[in-house]
Amino acid sequence: EAGVAQSPRYKIIEKRQSVAFWCNPISGHATLYWYQQILGQGPKLLIQFQNNGVVDDSQLPKDRFSAERLKGVDSTLKIQPAKLEDSAVYLCASSLSGRTHEQYFGPGTRLTVT
Amino acid sequence: DQQVKQNSPSLSVQEGRISILNCDYTNSMFDYFLWYKKYPAEGPTFLISISSIKDKNEDGRFTVFLNKSAKHLSLHIVPSQPGDSAVYFCAARINAGNNRKLIWGLGTSLAVNP
Repeated sequence: EAGVAQSPRYKIIEKRQSVAFWCNPISGHATLYWYQQILGQGPKLLIQFQNNGVVDDSQLPKDRFSAERLKGVDSTLKIQPAKLEDSAVYLCASSLSGRTHEQYFGPGTRLTVT
Repeated sequence: DQQVKQNSPSLSVQEGRISILNCDYTNSMFDYFLWYKKYPAEGPTFLISISSIKDKNEDGRFTVFLNKSAKHLSLHIVPSQPGDSAVYFCAARINAGNNRKLIWGLGTSLAVNP
């Protein structure tokens, strides 16, 4: 069974530029999550999708971050414009519907904003 | 407000001995508790979970104990192996109607010395 795929693995941009991350969850997983993990901290949930609908985006900085999952499968997370404090690893995870206690993570995208 | 606390940033044990990782929580509404393991440059990997109605769950070398009165859980690894060296995250699931999400601790870095 293929795991959660993410790309790119690494990205370096200057502040005020835009960036997009892509995630393809495990086949059959209806729930998809985007997390931000800053060095030395635990993952912080940015947004959670159930199929193509948003379940929770309470911690998403909506003035600069956006995410979509148009067909209920893969998803993109965008930052525009980026700030220095956005430097972090962005993790995508997926789970079967209702089994949010068993999430499967991709390798993450390490973003550096200079 | 850190609802899930891992007060030990690091732990070092000898191969073959027991590793005990601790986690405290403040929210009585958590219904599942989980441990994830993370290697460098990889996403977290689900390790073991326990329902809030249980006090122990065992899977091979890994056992999680839950003490609800003390709002404390621990992960025991016996015997510890060098391959167990990783960052361990404690997470708890909050279940609020249709919204279920994980709240994460800051992690404990475990080093198992040969």
